[in-house]
Amino acid sequence: GNSVTQMEGPVTLSEEAFLTINCTYTATGYPSLFWYVQYPGEGLQLLLKATKADDKGSNKGFEATYRKETTSFHLEKGSVQVSDSAVYFCALSRTGNQFYFGTGTSLTVIP
Amino acid sequence: NAGVMQNPRHLVRRRGQEARLRCSPMKGHSHVYWYRQLPEEGLKFMVYLQKENIIDESGMPKERFSAEFPKEGPSILRIQQVVRGDSAAYFCASSPLGLAGVNEQFFGPGTRLTVL
Repeated sequence: GNSVTQMEGPVTLSEEAFLTINCTYTATGYPSLFWYVQYPGEGLQLLLKATKADDKGSNKGFEATYRKETTSFHLEKGSVQVSDSAVYFCALSRTGNQFYFGTGTSLTVIP
Repeated sequence: NAGVMQNPRHLVRRRGQEARLRCSPMKGHSHVYWYRQLPEEGLKFMVYLQKENIIDESGMPKERFSAEFPKEGPSILRIQQVVRGDSAAYFCASSPLGLAGVNEQFFGPGTRLTVL
């Protein structure tokens, strides 16, 4: 079956620290992979995506590389800001119409 | 282009009442998805609809829950005889007509249901 496993939180970092949130997946075939971000009280917003192996998605300083050999799509940012505090969801889709989400990782960045 | 709209944003119901949640997809989008987010948990898929059709309801509880996406008007998620365990945030997402490749899902702001 299809599933996503995310690193459990919560994660607390100081401003300008390096961020890694781990995500691994199980899927048949070749899924597309996504990171969504949810700010307090809001819906999910697409942060970045990658549609094939070795693709790197990037946005707002965040990056994730689709690693087929390790079935991973870890999210990284070199220097986090207080405004990055949110919940981050890793997701996969094979058909474009069925998405499978991880449980989310809460990030708090302190000044 | 307006995004996905959901209303109400907050809904309070007493046990045994009905809750009706509405979702208007983005213009041009014909696929609608409903998800439930329980406190401290991730999103759980409930149902996937196209206009006038339920495509996949494998995540929907068998009783009390129903969904529709009529030819005209918003998609409706209906919960009958609500119980406290139904308290959650319900998110709607939409995507455009299927094309080659993968479509992004665009999420609404959610409806937060509280059952007293």
